[in-house]
Amino acid sequence: SQTIHQWPATLVQPVGSPLSLECTVEGTSNPNLYWYRQAAGRGLQLLFYSVGIGQISSEVPQNLSASRPQDRQFILSSKKLLLSDSGFYLCAWSSLGGRETQYFGPGTRLLVL
Amino acid sequence: QKEVEQNSGPLSVPEGAIASLNCTYSDRGSQSFFWYRQYSGKSPELIMFIYSNGDKEDGRFTAQLNKASQYVSLLIRDSQPSDSATYLCAFNFGNEKLTFGTGTRLTIIP
Repeated sequence: SQTIHQWPATLVQPVGSPLSLECTVEGTSNPNLYWYRQAAGRGLQLLFYSVGIGQISSEVPQNLSASRPQDRQFILSSKKLLLSDSGFYLCAWSSLGGRETQYFGPGTRLLVL
Repeated sequence: QKEVEQNSGPLSVPEGAIASLNCTYSDRGSQSFFWYRQYSGKSPELIMFIYSNGDKEDGRFTAQLNKASQYVSLLIRDSQPSDSATYLCAFNFGNEKLTFGTGTRLTIIP
């Protein structure tokens, strides 16, 4: 069966510090991968998605970036965090060209102070 | 712009009653429809998906899709306190992405 991992689970970072969040998927090949952010009490905002290694589509211009160095690894990064980057970061995967169900990881809760 | 409308609630339902959640969408080309449940502080988990017009039942849950009227509903029968959560609808508009509603917060009152 497929499993999706995210780490760290929680993170407290000062404004201006860098960020690296990692997501890995097990039990599937060639998944579509997604990064979402959910602000407190808000809906899901799609940040990036990837249909293959090295292929990244950005949905919202901001100080975040994403990379996919391996088939089942997806990384979210920032060089300098802003207060507004606080939120719940969710990684998800799907198969069959991305038109099917997305399955979410446990998430990373980020607080920027 | 493809949009999803979902009543944010909160929706309060007595235990044992039927909870009814609704979403409308703007694009007639939508192909697949999903309902997710999200407990506070947790990630969304899939409840059901539906592709065809009509009803789809899974245990206490029934998804209803009406493409002509562009809405999808989720019915929860015999509501339990453990059903208290935020429910997210999502649609695929024919590409690699899902568009999510903002979620309806459901509270089951014992």
